[in-house]
Amino acid sequence: DIVMTQSPDSLAVSLGERATINCKSSQSVLSSSNNKDHLAWYQQKPGQPPKLLIYWASTRESGVPDRFSGNGSGTDFTLTISSLQAEDVAVYYCLKYYGSKTFGQGTKVEIK
Amino acid sequence: EVQLVESGGGLVQPGGSLRLSCAASGFTFSSHWMTWVRQAPGKGLKWVANIKQDGSVKYHVDSVKGRFTISRDNANNSLFLQMSSLTAEDTAVYYCARESTVAGFFDVWGQGTLVTVSS
Repeated sequence: DIVMTQSPDSLAVSLGERATINCKSSQSVLSSSNNKDHLAWYQQKPGQPPKLLIYWASTRESGVPDRFSGNGSGTDFTLTISSLQAEDVAVYYCLKYYGSKTFGQGTKVEIK
Repeated sequence: EVQLVESGGGLVQPGGSLRLSCAASGFTFSSHWMTWVRQAPGKGLKWVANIKQDGSVKYHVDSVKGRFTISRDNANNSLFLQMSSLTAEDTAVYYCARESTVAGFFDVWGQGTLVTVSS
């Protein structure tokens, strides 16, 4: 089974500063059928369900602020929050959706 | 408004059974794969099962195979998860989620229903 590993497990960033979360897959999530990476990012705030931020590794979901961006391909991906806002405090998960669905373990983002 | 509303959670004894339901509204339910995802208290997200639009194809994570069964009723816009032989490790919030028609990521989530397995 493919394992999705996020790093770090938690990070504290000052307001207005950049936050970067990594997600590494044990196998490529690139689909040969459409040449796209089947990798999504979610944000989960306490007491709420997850919210879709990014899919196809870098496509922002409608309504998601442009300070959120996704990059990477194959096995290594990043989610970047360019200028951290107070409302961005949450746990972030990556999801591999090529074949079986597998989430990363989550990264908790806090304010420094 | 696109909405998913789970129900059926509660306290159940080890070895017991429970049936979760998810009522969908605001979109064409029969056009989407549907999924269950669970989250143990203080833990991360774990995909549990999904089902094709017409119910003809189902997948379950290994840890629930033979104990949980996903099903759907397109006439009533409903998704179900029948759970049996429950153990403490099944204690979690169970989320119903819609899979995008674009690909298999989850673009709409319900608020979740808590299942607690305890004596």
